[in-house]
Amino acid sequence: ETGVTQTPRHLVMGMTNKKSLKCEQHLGHNAMYWYKQSAKKPLELMFVYSLEERVENNSVPSRFSPECPNSSHLFLHLHTLQPEDSALYLCASSQGLAGYNEQFFGPGTRLTVL
Amino acid sequence: TQLLEQSPQFLSIQEGENLTVYCNSSSVFSSLQWYRQEPGEGPVLLVTVVTGGEVKKLKRLTFQFGDARKDSSLHITAAQPGDTGLYLCAGDYTGNQFYFGTGTSLTVIP
Repeated sequence: ETGVTQTPRHLVMGMTNKKSLKCEQHLGHNAMYWYKQSAKKPLELMFVYSLEERVENNSVPSRFSPECPNSSHLFLHLHTLQPEDSALYLCASSQGLAGYNEQFFGPGTRLTVL
Repeated sequence: TQLLEQSPQFLSIQEGENLTVYCNSSSVFSSLQWYRQEPGEGPVLLVTVVTGGEVKKLKRLTFQFGDARKDSSLHITAAQPGDTGLYLCAGDYTGNQFYFGTGTSLTVIP
């Protein structure tokens, strides 16, 4: 595997389910990100991790819980979601947090909440 | 708060035509990036601009950062079907977080 991978690619879940999204980067980067991409809305940054420590949490509801066990893996744990949480969830990584660094994105997980 | 506005939102042109898309903000950015996203994929970086007035060229794509570092444009010459995709600008003004625009969806018709 190369670059940034995400699993699953598609997920359908009910509002009472618990599921997790997984992201893995094979680039040796030390920063990882979760974004939410909804129709007709800008890409929204949800969480930022640097060296496995969370550095940003942009007012995301507690039903989204991130986990970064090491610099290569990032998880997004989901529970009691709402239909408006349906979106494409993108993971990205970069070599450092500075704004000029390129972010490498995974293909995303298309989430549908019923 | 919407910091970055992109225009047009949708653009459909014939192969061989030229086009320009815009990214505007009321905030000053320390750097600005352009990405292209194809269906079923994540965004891929095209360019980063950091200096006001900077112009960068990538084959048929020309990127310009405004003098005041509040706006940017992407010009494509002789568009090809392979240019089809969602073009996103992203500006950094905090030093460690990019704010993305709503995107311009481009379709190039063969």
